[in-house]
Amino acid sequence: DGGITQSPKYLFRKEGQNVTLSCEQNLNHDAMYWYRQDPGQGLRLIYYSQIVNDFQKGDIAEGYSVSREKKESFPLTVTSAQKNPTAFYLCASSWVGSYNEQFFGPGTRLTVL
Amino acid sequence: DQQVKQNSPSLSVQEGRISILNCDYTNSMFDYFLWYKKYPAEGPTFLISISSIKDKNEDGRFTVFLNKSAKHLSLHIVPSQPGDSAVYFCAARDSGGSNYKLTFGKGTLLTVNP
Repeated sequence: DGGITQSPKYLFRKEGQNVTLSCEQNLNHDAMYWYRQDPGQGLRLIYYSQIVNDFQKGDIAEGYSVSREKKESFPLTVTSAQKNPTAFYLCASSWVGSYNEQFFGPGTRLTVL
Repeated sequence: DQQVKQNSPSLSVQEGRISILNCDYTNSMFDYFLWYKKYPAEGPTFLISISSIKDKNEDGRFTVFLNKSAKHLSLHIVPSQPGDSAVYFCAARDSGGSNYKLTFGKGTLLTVNP
């Protein structure tokens, strides 16, 4: 059963702590993405990766870091430098090339206390 | 600077009627447009897309229209069903880049009343 998994669904952390959100896909997609959604806002791109061991900053990369050591996995670390980390985080993947839609995971709701 | 705009935050329609969701864009380099549907606390699901070489694409109850000269696209849902109630996001891809990034609008909350 192919798809994208994100864990956990809900995550709570204390202010000042780093936290890593998991994203795994078994769709054999080359590209993976991280987005953030805030209330009343669209999806904003944090980081993306088109190939293993390579990734690029999106529109709001400050305070975040990623790694892409395996094709299937693209974990996102929310660091203590991120000023407003409480949000709904979405991971997506797609084929690389024209006219390919992105498939999204179920999301992780991060709350920083 | 918002390149993809969904100016209606919400829309309410009666079951069985047509729902029309609108989206405007400013970047003339956008060449591929997508609509996603999202329920609360879930990831968006892909609905339908259209490339800039077309002006219409249809899939069942969903039709997307593209007016390039006006930089406007719309999603028509006919007939609307209560299960269609969700937030709908318009997204666009920039043909000028090689990174396949999508730019999303802020979404329109559709409510279909029984």
